[in-house]
Amino acid sequence: GEDVEQSLFLSVREGDSSVINCTYTDSSSTYLYWYKQEPGAGLQLLTYIFSNMDMKQDQRLTVLLNKKDKHLSLRIADTQTGDSAIYFCAETVLNTGTASKLTFGTGTRLQVTL
Amino acid sequence: DGGITQSPKYLFRKEGQNVTLSCEQNLNHDAMYWYRQDPGQGLRLIYYSQIVNDFQKGDIAEGYSVSREKKESFPLTVTSAQKNPTAFYLCASSIGTGQYFGPGTRLTVL
Repeated sequence: GEDVEQSLFLSVREGDSSVINCTYTDSSSTYLYWYKQEPGAGLQLLTYIFSNMDMKQDQRLTVLLNKKDKHLSLRIADTQTGDSAIYFCAETVLNTGTASKLTFGTGTRLQVTL
Repeated sequence: DGGITQSPKYLFRKEGQNVTLSCEQNLNHDAMYWYRQDPGQGLRLIYYSQIVNDFQKGDIAEGYSVSREKKESFPLTVTSAQKNPTAFYLCASSIGTGQYFGPGTRLTVL
């Protein structure tokens, strides 16, 4: 079946780098996504990577994709207190051209300490 | 401002009552989605719609119904057949890459 796995919790000090990991199962996934959710809010699309790429950098965010191991990671450089949130990875399991079905991980809660 | 709105933010209903959650988008997106989120869990897809007057069941459609009469609107009805309706409901829309989410509606059934 389709199962996206993430560790539940990560604590880092302000200014350090955070690395959030995700393991997905569908080798045919086209796009893989990272979303951020703050308490009581919807999900914010942070970044995504196409399956034929190994790495994507966007300001403080770096996404690494290891297709062989089906492993996705999100690195946040110079982590700030405003980065405290739950981070979800998601893989595309169906793409009709108009709509796409995503499977989400259970989320990693990032806590940033002073 | 373009975006997705959901209303109300908080909703309380008595057991056995149907309730309809609103989702509107002005992004001109063709596809719209409804998800359910329970504490400590990821999102689970309830229904999605690729185009007006068309929708498909997601992974947990039982006890829910939707309509898509306008491109901008995709309301979700939680019926009395849904055994455990208390949850956070999220609406999303997409065109091409990525789905964009509304702020969510927290439904509590008393």
